[in-house]
Amino acid sequence: KAGVTQTPRYLIKTRGQQVTLSCSPISGHRSVSWYQQTPGQGLQFLFEYFSETQRNKGNFPGRFSGRQFSNSRSEMNVSTLELGDSALYLCASSADLNTEAFFGQGTRLTVV
Amino acid sequence: ELKVEQNPLFLSMQEGKNYTIYCNYSTTSDRLYWYRQDPGKSLESLFVLLSNGAVKQEGRLMASRDTKARLSTLHITAAVHDLSATYFCAVDGAGSGYSTLTFGKGTMLLVSP
Repeated sequence: KAGVTQTPRYLIKTRGQQVTLSCSPISGHRSVSWYQQTPGQGLQFLFEYFSETQRNKGNFPGRFSGRQFSNSRSEMNVSTLELGDSALYLCASSADLNTEAFFGQGTRLTVV
Repeated sequence: ELKVEQNPLFLSMQEGKNYTIYCNYSTTSDRLYWYRQDPGKSLESLFVLLSNGAVKQEGRLMASRDTKARLSTLHITAAVHDLSATYFCAVDGAGSGYSTLTFGKGTMLLVSP
């Protein structure tokens, strides 16, 4: 059974640009959550999607957005990139709400 | 607001020694997770502890949970260099209807000869 797949694995962007990250959950999983990891703030929750609906949102500015498609794949978008957005972005999938979460390999975003 | 506190945040130990990492959380939780993270890598799931208080062991690592005390421990027995990594504790919110996890700040473990 394939795990959670995140693409791309590494990304370098310039300040002011926008970026889209992708997450394909484990087959059959309907919930996808996104997390940001930085040295200063640690692991912080961004948002959670279930059946194409955003169910929960963390405390991040509106520049961070996401969506989920009918096949449960999810994308997150960050607009007007700032240096502080440099981070490891992790995606986790769960079969259903409030069930065990499984993490992908992450996307390392560097903003220069 | 669910809060998770881990201690210590940094642990330097010698091979062969035993030590325990502690994880306190502020509200009830269905699942408590322990993860390992190597530098530049993603999270590797070590244990998932439900609210029934079960103890789990894998190799030199043993995790337990005291639901009433809202405390979990990760015990390391006879540490070896390969265990050097950062260990995170994370919990979900009981009955929240979400899969959202709240993480501790992590414990950086360095095992030296």
